[in-house]
Amino acid sequence: ETGVTQSPTHLIKTRGQQVTLRCSSQSGHNTVSWYQQALGQGPQFIFQYYREEENGRGNFPPRFSGLQFPNYSSELNVNALELDDSALYLCASSLSDRRTDTQYFGPGTRLTVL
Amino acid sequence: DAKTTQPTSMDCAEGRAANLPCNHSTISGNEYVYWYRQIHSQGPQYIIHGLKNNETNEMASLIITEDRKSSTLILPHATLRDTAVYYCIVAGGTSYGKLTFGQGTILTVHP
Repeated sequence: ETGVTQSPTHLIKTRGQQVTLRCSSQSGHNTVSWYQQALGQGPQFIFQYYREEENGRGNFPPRFSGLQFPNYSSELNVNALELDDSALYLCASSLSDRRTDTQYFGPGTRLTVL
Repeated sequence: DAKTTQPTSMDCAEGRAANLPCNHSTISGNEYVYWYRQIHSQGPQYIIHGLKNNETNEMASLIITEDRKSSTLILPHATLRDTAVYYCIVAGGTSYGKLTFGQGTILTVHP
């Protein structure tokens, strides 16, 4: 069984640029969630995708957007990067059964915005 | 979302049991208690979850009080590799799909 994978591992961008981060779900999972973790803080929920549609969103502006593909992999896109977007971006996959939502996390992508 | 309260840090001797407490007094009837841990700069690792009954798996045990207002995660024989930040999270119900992480408990296991 393959776990959650994310790419790239590290990324450096400059302010104003756009970035795309990628996530492959654990085998058999149909739901993907994205989190942002700033240094010294706990992860913050960005949004979740289920059946290729956004299924809940945290307190993040519209320049954070996502996609889920038919094979349940997902992308997180961030436009107009700001310095405060520097963080560890975590993807988590789960098998949604509408009762529990045990999410399994990938290793994360470390984004640095200069 | 139901909030959780955890001690900021705890210490444990290697080989001894680590008991990590969590208060979640506003938990609602259809919300679960989840525990995750995060070793420095890695993705959070799922440990265990429960609704009302005590649960045990190969990593840990979860003891939930009868009124469900608090719980304790037990690592029966802590090792140095268990040094991590441990997060207690209440999820499900109206917050289905969203895990709300607090500051967690920094557990340090000493030789």
